[in-house]
Amino acid sequence: RKEVEQDPGPFNVPEGATVAFNCTYSNSASQSFFWYRQDCRKEPKLLMSVYSSGNEDGRFTAQLNRASQYISLLIRDSKLSDSATYLCVVNHGGYNKLIFGAGTRLAVHP
Amino acid sequence: ETGVTQTPRHLVMGMTNKKSLKCEQHLGHNAMYWYKQSAKKPLELMFVYNFKEQTENNSVPSRFSPECPNSSHLFLHLHTLQPEDSALYLCASSREGSGAQETQYFGPGTRLLVL
Repeated sequence: RKEVEQDPGPFNVPEGATVAFNCTYSNSASQSFFWYRQDCRKEPKLLMSVYSSGNEDGRFTAQLNRASQYISLLIRDSKLSDSATYLCVVNHGGYNKLIFGAGTRLAVHP
Repeated sequence: ETGVTQTPRHLVMGMTNKKSLKCEQHLGHNAMYWYKQSAKKPLELMFVYNFKEQTENNSVPSRFSPECPNSSHLFLHLHTLQPEDSALYLCASSREGSGAQETQYFGPGTRLLVL
């Protein structure tokens, strides 16, 4: 079983749509959680950290369910510029070792 | 952004060549990382350096040899690579390598092709 599993995608949505990505992780000792964004042929960039209480940053909302070992990302009012691959990332252990999911590709069309 | 730079950006090498990848961070961080991203696979952590000391070697073959002369520079020395080593090699840095919440900042990567 992969340590971090994501919807493979691709998700093709029109501008203005709401889209949700899911992610599960296998290590119950995982301590911190992130969503990174990676544009085609570019490096990953942190989109947002994910907290137990859930957190929102503009059009983006992240949720964490530790009991189910499940993380989600909701994007509202999708923009063309949101087209990218979204990486679910988990940190477990006492040091900064990130485990990446394979990513979910999002394509927003006019 | 020029927080983390990597050179070269593209590299083609034969299986008998020796080459080095360079990473430099201008963020005042103390931890640096090498990752490998192969086509259609997740990013894989290769090495972690914290305050110039290697703290993680993720079972990487010895044909990859990292070097961290100071907290700002990280090298990956390559020799006798195989075609399956062709990938995007990403460097990252963070304030330190021991905090679970530390954000890692990535360089643009070196796209390596081994012939």
